[in-house]
Amino acid sequence: EADIYQTPRYLVIGTGKKITLECSQTMGHDKMYWYQQDPGMELHLIHYSYGVNSTEKGDLSSESTVSRIRTEHFPLTLESARPSHTSQYLCASSEGGQGPYGYTFGSGTRLTVV
Amino acid sequence: GEDVEQSLFLSVREGDSSVINCTYTDSSSTYLYWYKQEPGAGLQLLTYIFSNMDMKQDQRLTVLLNKKDKHLSLRIADTQTGDSAIYFCAGTYKYIFGTGTRLKVLA
Repeated sequence: EADIYQTPRYLVIGTGKKITLECSQTMGHDKMYWYQQDPGMELHLIHYSYGVNSTEKGDLSSESTVSRIRTEHFPLTLESARPSHTSQYLCASSEGGQGPYGYTFGSGTRLTVV
Repeated sequence: GEDVEQSLFLSVREGDSSVINCTYTDSSSTYLYWYKQEPGAGLQLLTYIFSNMDMKQDQRLTVLLNKKDKHLSLRIADTQTGDSAIYFCAGTYKYIFGTGTRLKVLA
């Protein structure tokens, strides 16, 4: 049973459209992340958040933006989609602190820009 | 920067053991993790090891950690077709995942 939800699962849109990928978690986790996953499998961190009103860019430069107005919600927005944005986007969350909590992942959004 | 490397593919016969390897450059992580990704899904946490341990066993899974060589491995005993997936190693430092190993189990 997933405690982190991503919508939509699949999205096909035209170039230049604005889109928002939704991510919500019910676990009260402070930390949330967005990863972009290549067709060749590798995950690249594009955004992360330590809590409400905290957002940081990840290692992979991305034209997307994120917001964290509520603990449970971490949407990702592309103002003008391009074919190069075609990818799988994975949202994840984790507890704070020093324990072996690991990440909980959503099922992903597969985005195709035509 | 941090690099976490894995071999891309591994193919084994059903019932054999699988060993998936991971090497990393930064030793700051307190815990090291293994995740499994099935087709069309997100990643699922399989197991973890504390950085001051050498080995951890969890049913069919055995994790080995060699801190000196910065090498982590995951052994799956009695591999089943349901184990076919992509496996990622990861640490707690900088939220970086390995490159992923695609395991294919042949019936």
